[in-house]
Amino acid sequence: QVQLVESGGGVVQPGGSLRLSCAGSGFIFRTYGMHWVRQTPGKGLEWVAFVRNDGSDKYYSDSVKGRFTISRDNSKNTLYLQMNSLTVEDTALYYCASRSCPGGDCYTNFWGQGTLVTVSS
Amino acid sequence: EIVLTQSPGTLSLSPGERATLSCRASQIISSNYLAWFQQKPGQAPRLLIYGASTRAPGIPDRFSGSGSGTDFTLTINRLEPEDFAVYYCQQYNTSPALTFGGGTKVEIK
Repeated sequence: QVQLVESGGGVVQPGGSLRLSCAGSGFIFRTYGMHWVRQTPGKGLEWVAFVRNDGSDKYYSDSVKGRFTISRDNSKNTLYLQMNSLTVEDTALYYCASRSCPGGDCYTNFWGQGTLVTVSS
Repeated sequence: EIVLTQSPGTLSLSPGERATLSCRASQIISSNYLAWFQQKPGQAPRLLIYGASTRAPGIPDRFSGSGSGTDFTLTINRLEPEDFAVYYCQQYNTSPALTFGGGTKVEIK
């Protein structure tokens, strides 16, 4: 069955960096676009970034643009999120999610269990 | 940015009752690019409905979605104990950018 497993979360000081990973299995990873979405009790679910299936195009929310970088290694079935210049507002549970596009209807179908990022001094 | 407003914030119902959840968009969502997710404590969101009304594989037929334009509804007929959870709507009209509603909690009365 489809599995997405995030890792790399932890506690980091403001201004620090972290790299999150998301390992996919049970599906043809290289054929799916992939999102990062984060969740906090206060702001709810917030889209962070997206990368096309072949890594050719990347998109970011305004809140992370210039600080976060999404990438993928299809040979390893793994998605990444490099997070730099972290602030307390980046504290959240980070999910990776796959995007399915049958007939152009591009919805988010599978999600991982999330990895927790805490930015605190 | 398309803002999604869900109502009510909390719905208190008994098993066997019907739940009607609303999601209103600040702009027209073309092609009905709207999805519904269920989330239980400590779990990831689970896709229920996409394209406003198409059930995802494996989702029971007591879950149904309807609506178009700016007003969408998720209906859960005959609530089962496992259906008590938080439900989110999501628009992907602006895909790849996504926005989510604030959620409706369906709790046991």
